[in-house]
Amino acid sequence: GAVVSQHPSRVICKSGTSVKIECRSLDFQATTMFWYRQFPKQSLMLMATSNEGSKATYEQGVEKDKFLINHASLTLSTLTVTSAHPEDSSFYICSARSGSGNEQFFGPGTRLTVL
Amino acid sequence: DAKTTQPPSMDCAEGRAANLPCNHSTISGNEYVYWYRQIHSQGPQYIIHGLKNNETNEMASLIITEDRKSSTLILPHATLRDTAVYYCIVRVAKQAGTALIFGKGTTLSVSS
Repeated sequence: GAVVSQHPSRVICKSGTSVKIECRSLDFQATTMFWYRQFPKQSLMLMATSNEGSKATYEQGVEKDKFLINHASLTLSTLTVTSAHPEDSSFYICSARSGSGNEQFFGPGTRLTVL
Repeated sequence: DAKTTQPPSMDCAEGRAANLPCNHSTISGNEYVYWYRQIHSQGPQYIIHGLKNNETNEMASLIITEDRKSSTLILPHATLRDTAVYYCIVRVAKQAGTALIFGKGTTLSVSS
């Protein structure tokens, strides 16, 4: 299957700082990318959907000014957690789908810890 | 997308077949059944999907009942590495702009 990478795999930051997570589709063009968040012992929760070149669509309850999403190219999307707080500590997972495909491919996830 | 119901947990002995059930009684005619799994601290991994015919690939088999209200994912010879959370998801195919929505899934524990 297609490969989606994320960087970094884990990050620790101080409260109040901003953290950027990159998501790349390595061998296909991702017209749509998705960002999920997963707290311990819970399922994945969809945060936002982004189409290349367009503004992201955020799920209810997700602050768009806090979680900045950029999908500037067909192979790269970034999620920036601004002014991070300890409650933002979570496992962030990106996912990508090509325009012609049924399957949704997932990255390996990024573990964010905010001290 | 139709709602799915899965048992919260299942156990399986290594080498035996693991049969994971999923109920989707409100499935529509154009909705597919997808299965993903998530090994601890990793991203979800696609396993298989089907519409109404049984499907098989190198990872698993998917058996869908004739009325399509339920399905079973079969791992024919479970190994310790198959220990994971398995998600059954029902959705219309080729909805490029819509995301997979995950329920709670079934935690499969394979033991030696």
